[in-house]
Amino acid sequence: DTGVSQNPRHKITKRGQNVTFRCDPISEHNRLYWYRQTLGQGPEFLTYFQNEAQLEKSRLLSDRFSAERPKGSFSTLEIQRTEQGDSAMYLCASSPSKGQGNSPLHFGNGTRLTVT
Amino acid sequence: AQSVTQLGSHVSVSEGALVLLRCNYSSSVPPYLFWYVQYPNQGLQLLLKYTTGATLVKGINGFEAEFKKSETSFHLTKPSAHMSDAAEYFCAVSDPYSGGGADGLTFGKGTHLIIQP
Repeated sequence: DTGVSQNPRHKITKRGQNVTFRCDPISEHNRLYWYRQTLGQGPEFLTYFQNEAQLEKSRLLSDRFSAERPKGSFSTLEIQRTEQGDSAMYLCASSPSKGQGNSPLHFGNGTRLTVT
Repeated sequence: AQSVTQLGSHVSVSEGALVLLRCNYSSSVPPYLFWYVQYPNQGLQLLLKYTTGATLVKGINGFEAEFKKSETSFHLTKPSAHMSDAAEYFCAVSDPYSGGGADGLTFGKGTHLIIQP
């Protein structure tokens, strides 16, 4: 169990640019989540996958955001035409598919995005 | 719908003193409850969880929490604070019948624990 891995750890970009983050979940975990965390707040749900299927998206996920999980393995989160309000820590988490109760989320160390 | 309220965005205690971090929840069904810890520039690490059974739950690093249904609370405690406990602590609630997603896990805003020497 090598844990959830996220790359890059930090990303600084100019407003209007596109950025892409990658998450490699724990290999046997079927579910993969993306959360966004701003300063002084708890993580907020963005979207999640069951294998390769994206089952739910938060209203926080505007049209500029897109997430994929090809082949049910790693996932990418892309933000197009970044805005300063997108600056946040983006957290990825994974869990087995048995649900939350007996399968807490395992989080990566996050990607901190700064939009200048 | 579910929600979590953590009383006190910052809590300061002396090294060796009792740590008490408060969490109250709102849920339409009997919830599952979690405490996570986050160190600077890192992801969240599970401290402990309550699902069913014994209401006093022990976790890692000497922390424990007690589920009190009548008070809708799940406060986190540690008898003696250590400098290494300084971090951000998040209480979270989930719907056991949820298929995941937004209802899968709802976090509070967090409490920053400061340990004074």
